[in-house]
Amino acid sequence: EAGVAQSPRYKIIEKRQSVAFWCNPISGHATLYWYQQILGQGPKLLIQFQNNGVVDDSQLPKDRFSAERLKGVDSTLKIQPAKLEDSAVYLCASRGLSYEQYFGPGTRLTVT
Amino acid sequence: DQQVKQNSPSLSVQEGRISILNCDYTNSMFDYFLWYKKYPAEGPTFLISISSIKDKNEDGRFTVFLNKSAKHLSLHIVPSQPGDSAVYFCAVATSGTYKYIFGTGTRLKVLA
Repeated sequence: EAGVAQSPRYKIIEKRQSVAFWCNPISGHATLYWYQQILGQGPKLLIQFQNNGVVDDSQLPKDRFSAERLKGVDSTLKIQPAKLEDSAVYLCASRGLSYEQYFGPGTRLTVT
Repeated sequence: DQQVKQNSPSLSVQEGRISILNCDYTNSMFDYFLWYKKYPAEGPTFLISISSIKDKNEDGRFTVFLNKSAKHLSLHIVPSQPGDSAVYFCAVATSGTYKYIFGTGTRLKVLA
């Protein structure tokens, strides 16, 4: 079974630029999560999808971050405009019927 | 306000000995608990979990203990191996929501 795919793996942008991350979950997994992990901290939930609907986006900075999950499969997370404090690893995870989440390798974003 | 705390940022253990990683949580509504392991440049991988109806769960060298009255869980690794060197995160959830809160992580180093 293929794992969770994410791209790009690394991205360097200047502040005020925009960036987009892509995630392809494990086939058949209805729940998809985006997390932000700042260095030295644990993953922090940004948004949770169930199929193509949003379950929880309470911690998503909606003035600059947006996310969508087209047709309940792939998802994109966008930041526009980026700030220095957005430098982090962005992790995508998916979940099937159990509590276990499967994570992708993450995208390391550096904002200069 | 951290709802999940891992108070030891790092831990060094000799190969063959026991590693004990600790995690404290604040909200008694949490009733499902997980441990994840993370290697550099990879996403977290699921290790072991426990629900609040149990106080112990074992899987090979890994055992998770839950003390609900103390709002404390621990992960025991016996015997520790150099390949166990990684960052370990605990995560908590409330059943039905499938929304996870992660601790800050403990970096385990197993010395050969």
